[in-house]
Amino acid sequence: DAKTTQPNSMESNEEEPVHLPCNHSTISGTDYIHWYRQLPSQGPEYVIHGLTSNVNNRMASLAIAEDRKSSTLILHRATLRDAAVYYCILRGLSSGNTGKLIFGQGTTLQVKP
Amino acid sequence: DTEVTQTPKHLVMGMTNKKSLKCEQHMGHRAMYWYKQKAKKPPELMFVYSYEKLSINESVPSRFSPECPNSSLLNLHLHALQPEDSALYLCASSKGGLAGGQYNEQFFGPGTRLTVL
Repeated sequence: DAKTTQPNSMESNEEEPVHLPCNHSTISGTDYIHWYRQLPSQGPEYVIHGLTSNVNNRMASLAIAEDRKSSTLILHRATLRDAAVYYCILRGLSSGNTGKLIFGQGTTLQVKP
Repeated sequence: DTEVTQTPKHLVMGMTNKKSLKCEQHMGHRAMYWYKQKAKKPPELMFVYSYEKLSINESVPSRFSPECPNSSLLNLHLHALQPEDSALYLCASSKGGLAGGQYNEQFFGPGTRLTVL
């Protein structure tokens, strides 16, 4: 299975942008890059996903490197509510996990007031 | 309604008890999932139902028995559990079945916190 590598933890100040990196050097051409986050005492929630082009939604932006070996989740203005564990997950036919979410350790984001 | 509900929120059971966890969604999703999450660890997939049929069993011990009575409901029957089975059990659902799953987001419930004494 194609794997992802994320920093264990990151800190941010409230109201500032946050860039959460993810490396996936063994990604295949059909793998989608998904991001989920898990707030304390809650189930994970979907954040965003993309294949090749950068993507934006109401929660975040996803910047995908041209060679697709890395991506960055961008929170434009962090709030205290964004403190969570952020998971970068590959899904696709070659990864054998179209239906599965295989969670890595993720990045724990702390947001300071 | 974009919610996945799970009951009960908390459950304490002895090793000889039989109990069930329940999960419900009314979004018309046709894939439903059980995950297990130990403290400070990421969720791990246990089972996947696609169109009410068990499609994936991640080598889960038989003391966990899933059931999907209809497209909105997913149960997890528990019997003769061990203390190490104490964890947060998460249910999720997604549109369609497993095919095309790489496009579809999964919606998670808040989980059932299970303690086995």
